[in-house]
Amino acid sequence: DGGITQSPKYLFRKEGQNVTLSCEQNLNHDAMYWYRQDPGQGLRLIYYSQIVNDFQKGDIAEGYSVSREKKESFPLTVTSAQKNPTAFYLCASSRGFAKWTETQYFGPGTRLLVL
Amino acid sequence: ELKVEQNPLFLSMQEGKNYTIYCNYSTTSDRLYWYRQDPGKSLESLFVLLSNGAVKQEGRLMASLDTKARLSTLHITAAVHDLSATYFCAVAGETSGSRLTFGEGTQLTVNP
Repeated sequence: DGGITQSPKYLFRKEGQNVTLSCEQNLNHDAMYWYRQDPGQGLRLIYYSQIVNDFQKGDIAEGYSVSREKKESFPLTVTSAQKNPTAFYLCASSRGFAKWTETQYFGPGTRLLVL
Repeated sequence: ELKVEQNPLFLSMQEGKNYTIYCNYSTTSDRLYWYRQDPGKSLESLFVLLSNGAVKQEGRLMASLDTKARLSTLHITAAVHDLSATYFCAVAGETSGSRLTFGEGTQLTVNP
């Protein structure tokens, strides 16, 4: 089945620790995105990638880093510089990034908690 | 900067009733998306509205887009409990490619 997988489902971070969230898609989509969702709020864009080996900052990129070495994978690292990382993280993908491209499809999410 | 506002943010309604959720946005756009999120779950795509006057319907939900008014509506007809969820609208600005700006979401509770 085609889709987007995220792992782990729950992740605990100790103070000063970097953690990496995995996002994999087998939809053959060019574009991938990372969002953060805080309780009772909408989604905010962290980083996005239009194509392999390319990515851009979103609205709240500080304290996060990404890579896009393979088309199907877009991991997100939450660094120790992110002082308030507790949130629900959602990965999404779309066929492309051009204006006529349609829907973003979302993975199941990773819930990050700080110990 | 594109801003997206939804109202109401919380909606409690009885089964069988009708209601409308509103989504206003601040800059020119010709693409608007509606998503549904169940508690603790991911987002599910409901509708994609790609032009002024676009109307789409699926079951008890109908979405419309007025690009001149910068307004989209999600109308719920004869609500049932299974529609309880949070509904988000998301807008793509004309020059932003597929980059979306989301509203805060409307938390809908349908009571028996």
